[in-house]
Amino acid sequence: GAGVSQSPRYKVAKRGQDVALRCDPISGHVSLFWYQQALGQGPEFLTYFQNEAQLDKSGLPSDRFFAERPEGSVSTLKIQRTQQEDSAVYLCASSLAPGYGYTFGSGTRLTVV
Amino acid sequence: TQLLEQSPQFLSIQEGENLTVYCNSSSVFSSLQWYRQEPGEGPVLLVTVVTGGEVKKLKRLTFQFGDARKDSSLHITAAQPGDTGLYLCAGGSYQGGANNLFFGTGTRLTVIP
Repeated sequence: GAGVSQSPRYKVAKRGQDVALRCDPISGHVSLFWYQQALGQGPEFLTYFQNEAQLDKSGLPSDRFFAERPEGSVSTLKIQRTQQEDSAVYLCASSLAPGYGYTFGSGTRLTVV
Repeated sequence: TQLLEQSPQFLSIQEGENLTVYCNSSSVFSSLQWYRQEPGEGPVLLVTVVTGGEVKKLKRLTFQFGDARKDSSLHITAAQPGDTGLYLCAGGSYQGGANNLFFGTGTRLTVIP
């Protein structure tokens, strides 16, 4: 596609519920990143994929967070047993290759009630 | 943690005025990118600077990368209402097999007509 697509755009989850957020990167982009952006803050790194390999997951805040990119294209960020502090915008970005500029999706706004 | 501090955090100016946003860190980065983010959207890349002391100009925007590659500035000449948004600097650092980006705290600019 022409850009990075994320779905859903908005998600309201009850505390304790599991959620799955989807990212469709630009076709052919090798690198894929997930970021978490709290209200009024800059994005914070969560995890990075190069093709299907998850090379860095140091930013995942807890073992409730899990990301995958099984075929090296679409990626899913899963959050288990959501907590209120998980409320944020989750941004996905892709890049042609390491070192190239990032293209961000519009994000998924997660609200945990 | 590679912390990037931006100043000012908030800036409200009249149309036609000039402004400068600063991005400072104690860490050295391989590259420095500036993004602009509008509400409900992901950040959009404005520029990438990679060489210490580098200056890039894009119409009314001037970007500078510090000689030591730890800091950067964004100068806007004759600001227009369309410049309103959240400006984010992001430092590139190669680690874990990825060129990760670490975002600054953001500067929210409002240009009043």
